[in-house]
Amino acid sequence: DQQVKQNSPSLSVQEGRISILNCDYTNSMFDYFLWYKKYPAEGPTFLISISSIKDKNEDGRFTVFLNKSAKHLSLHIVPSQPGDSAVYFCAARNTGTASKLTFGTGTRLQVTL
Amino acid sequence: ETGVTQTPRHLVMGMTNKKSLKCEQHLGHNAMYWYKQSAKKPLELMFVYNFKEQTENNSVPSRFSPECPNSSHLFLHLHTLQPEDSALYLCASSQDTSGGAGSETQYFGPGTRLLVL
Repeated sequence: DQQVKQNSPSLSVQEGRISILNCDYTNSMFDYFLWYKKYPAEGPTFLISISSIKDKNEDGRFTVFLNKSAKHLSLHIVPSQPGDSAVYFCAARNTGTASKLTFGTGTRLQVTL
Repeated sequence: ETGVTQTPRHLVMGMTNKKSLKCEQHLGHNAMYWYKQSAKKPLELMFVYNFKEQTENNSVPSRFSPECPNSSHLFLHLHTLQPEDSALYLCASSQDTSGGAGSETQYFGPGTRLLVL
C-alpha cells in the first residue's frame, strides 16, 4: 500500500509559467513533508519542506502548500525555468518513526522554451 | 569533498561475485541510510544507522550486509545477488534520527547504479 502518491508521472510547462506538482498521502500520522529534486545520474537534492503545523512555506521561486484535511500537498514553482527540468519526489515523515522517509514515485517536470 | 559521496558510481557484477559499495558523508551527521531505487518504484529504505548502531533493517535479504565503522562511513557488502537486485543504491545522511528540529532532512549521495548479470 503506497502511503505517498504522486499521481502524475510527468508534467510539461512553458518557461516563465507556474509549475504545480501534487502529492497525496494516506497516513494521518505524517507530520513533516519534504520535496526533493533529482537530475539524471545524481542523487535526490533537498528542495523545500513543511511541518504539519504550517500550511505554507516559501523559499524563493518554490512554495509548498499543505492541506491536512485533504491529505494533500503541492509544490509551486514560479516562474519555471529550463533548469527546473528534473524528477521531483515528495516524501513524508512520521515523528514516531523519525528515521523513515516515505517517498512517492516522482513526477518528471519538463520546462520548455 | 563536500556532501555525501558514493563509490563506485556504476557496478556490474555476476551473481557469484562479492562487491562492496562505499558511502562517505562530510556533513558532520550522525545518521546514515541505504536506499534502493528500482525502476518505476519509490525509494525503498533498506538500513538505518544512528551513531554507528543499526537502528533499522527493513526486511532486507541477508545477501545485503551493511557496515558502519564510524558516523562518516557506510558500506553495503553484496554477495550472491540476483538480477532483480539491479537498481540504483542511494546513501543518505541526516543530523540524527531523533526526530527533533534539524534531523528531518536527509541528504543524498549520487548513488551507485548496480547491474547484476
